[in-house]
Amino acid sequence: AQTVTQSQPEMSVQEAETVTLSCTYDTSESDYYLFWYKQPPSRQMILVIRQEAYKQQNATENRFSVNFQKAAKSFSLKISDSQLGDAAMYFCAYSRNNNDMRFGAGTRLTVKP
Amino acid sequence: DVKVTQSSRYLVKRTGEKVFLECVQDMDHENMFWYRQDPGLGLRLIYFSYDVKMKEKGDIPEGYSVSREKKERFSLILESASTNQTSMYLCASSPWRATANEQFFGPGTRLTVL
Repeated sequence: AQTVTQSQPEMSVQEAETVTLSCTYDTSESDYYLFWYKQPPSRQMILVIRQEAYKQQNATENRFSVNFQKAAKSFSLKISDSQLGDAAMYFCAYSRNNNDMRFGAGTRLTVKP
Repeated sequence: DVKVTQSSRYLVKRTGEKVFLECVQDMDHENMFWYRQDPGLGLRLIYFSYDVKMKEKGDIPEGYSVSREKKERFSLILESASTNQTSMYLCASSPWRATANEQFFGPGTRLTVL
C-alpha cells in the first residue's frame, strides 16, 4: 500500500521568511498525483498545490512551490515570504486514481510575527 | 465555488447511541468520502461512494456504515458509538474523472463520545 510520510510534526517560520515542509512517499507506480492541502485552525481544508508525476516541471502557485524529486520519492513544499495567514496544518497527499487518496500525518506550521 | 457542508461542527454523544453525520455538496460531484482525522495519523478513509446507493469500504470501516440516497448527500452512521470513535470527521467530494482529482472538504464535525 502507498504510504505518505511527513517527518516534521511541527515547524515554525518568521514572518516574511521562507520555510520548507518535507514529504516522502512510497509507491511502485509511475503515474500518480501529489497534493499539498492546508487546514487553517477551525477552517476547511483547501488545496494549496498539485503535481502530476509525469510532469518534470515543479508546480508553482504564487508564494507556494514544490520540489518534486520522483526518483527519491520526495515532494517538499516551499512557502516564500511567509504570512501570518499561512499558519495552519499542512497535509501531503498521494493519489493514484479517482477514489484513493493517501494522506501524511501533517505538519503544523506556526508563523511568528 | 464548491461548497461542502456538514450538519454539525461539534457533537457530543453517549456510548451506545446511534449517531448520524450528514454531508451535502452542491457541485453535482459523483464521488463523496468520509475521513477520520486524528493527531499523528492524518486522514484515514472510512468509506467512499462513487454514485447514488453505491459505497466502498475504506481503510477503517469497522463500526461505521454509510448511506447515499441522493447524489448530493452522504451520511455516516455510527451504529453504536464508542469512546474510541471520538475524533474529527471530514467529508469530501470530487468529480469523477479518469485521473486523480482534488477533493473538496467540508468544515468537519468534532465528535466526542462520552
